[in-house]
Amino acid sequence: EDKVVQSPLSLVVHEGDTVTLNCSYEVTNFRSLLWYKQEKKAPTFLFMLTSSGIEKKSGRLSSILDKKELFSILNITATQTGDSAVYLCAARILYTSGTYKYIFGTGTRLKVLA
Amino acid sequence: GAGVSQSPSNKVTEKGKDVELRCDPISGHTALYWYRQSLGQGLEFLIYFQGNSAPDKSGLPSDRFSAERTGGSVSTLTIQRTQQEDSAVYLCASSLNPDNEQFFGPGTRLTVL
Repeated sequence: EDKVVQSPLSLVVHEGDTVTLNCSYEVTNFRSLLWYKQEKKAPTFLFMLTSSGIEKKSGRLSSILDKKELFSILNITATQTGDSAVYLCAARILYTSGTYKYIFGTGTRLKVLA
Repeated sequence: GAGVSQSPSNKVTEKGKDVELRCDPISGHTALYWYRQSLGQGLEFLIYFQGNSAPDKSGLPSDRFSAERTGGSVSTLTIQRTQQEDSAVYLCASSLNPDNEQFFGPGTRLTVL
């Protein structure tokens, strides 16, 4: 059964701390891994990772994929209260038929205290 | 439009009634996705459309669920004979094509009494 597991489930840090969020996956026909930030209802896209070992960066956020060990990490440096959210990762599957499927983890709830 | 829109934003219905949820994707986006998010849970992928066609409907939770897309634009998700376990936030997303990032709508919160 395809699955995506995120850890930790929740995390409380203070402003300025650095956090690392983990996402491991076990899926067939893996195509890419995606990270989203969900503050209220609609998740917003952060990163899409397709190749192993290539770090993607956006400001204080960065992410990398390890396709051998089947995991990805999302790093946030110098955290701010505005980083408080649920962070979701998803494995995108591409079947040989050409159809797609997405498997999401349950998310990591991050709370940054002032 | 500027973003993905969904209607209604909230829907309260009685068990056994049918409901229809609507999604307007970003103009020009060929791919459209439906997800369900139950309280405290991650996103459950339901179905996606490439154009007007849904290549795989196996993610729909039961035969009470159906979805269609017309004109390569608006999509509706219909739930027949609603049950209390259908209560959730239903999210729609669209992307330029299936290999691109998805943009999510604000969701429809469905409550079945």
